[in-house]
Amino acid sequence: AQKVTQAQTEISVVEKEDVTLDCVYETRDTTYYLFWYKQPPSGELVFLIRRNSFDEQNEISGRYSWNFQKSTSSFNFTITASQVVDSAVYFCALSEAENSGNTPLVFGKGTRLSVIA
Amino acid sequence: EAQVTQNPRYLITVTGKKLTVTCSQNMNHEYMSWYRQDPGLGLRQIYYSMNVEVTDKGDVPEGYKVSRKEKRNFPLILESPSPNQTSLYFCASSVYSKETQYFGPGTRLLVL
Repeated sequence: AQKVTQAQTEISVVEKEDVTLDCVYETRDTTYYLFWYKQPPSGELVFLIRRNSFDEQNEISGRYSWNFQKSTSSFNFTITASQVVDSAVYFCALSEAENSGNTPLVFGKGTRLSVIA
Repeated sequence: EAQVTQNPRYLITVTGKKLTVTCSQNMNHEYMSWYRQDPGLGLRQIYYSMNVEVTDKGDVPEGYKVSRKEKRNFPLILESPSPNQTSLYFCASSVYSKETQYFGPGTRLLVL
């Protein structure tokens, strides 16, 4: 069965520090997608990135970067030079892709990041 | 603007009083889904719809109904709400089920 583990429940950092949020996943499929979503205090879920299982290239978007390693089943998220506006709960999610039917997102429990000014 | 909308955003009701949470998307997406978010349990899928008139149960469907009569709308119906349905509900849509799901703003429901 598919599973996503975010071992860090809460992290606090001081503004401008770098921070890495860990995500470890389990799946039997060889084709799958990994996602990160951000949930700010206002409550909505904001899509950040989608990565398919055949693309292990690291991704960088501004201060955000993602490191996907199939060998360790991890998809970690790093925020460089963190800012107060980065304070949110971050969810990692997995979607298996080998069946033709419903492929719900399976979410980790989330990591609450607090960035202190 | 491409978006998923939900109404109401906040709702307080009493046990047994039927309610509907509406969900609408303007992106012509085939796939729509409902999730609930609970502390310590994360987000879990309630129901999904692969296309118009095609709906099926997710992981936690008990106590809920849905319908998909038009592509853009996917209402969530609680026929007889109970306190254990107090939760934060999200509607999501995607081009099809394996694509990125985009979420609505959420509906906070309190059942007394």
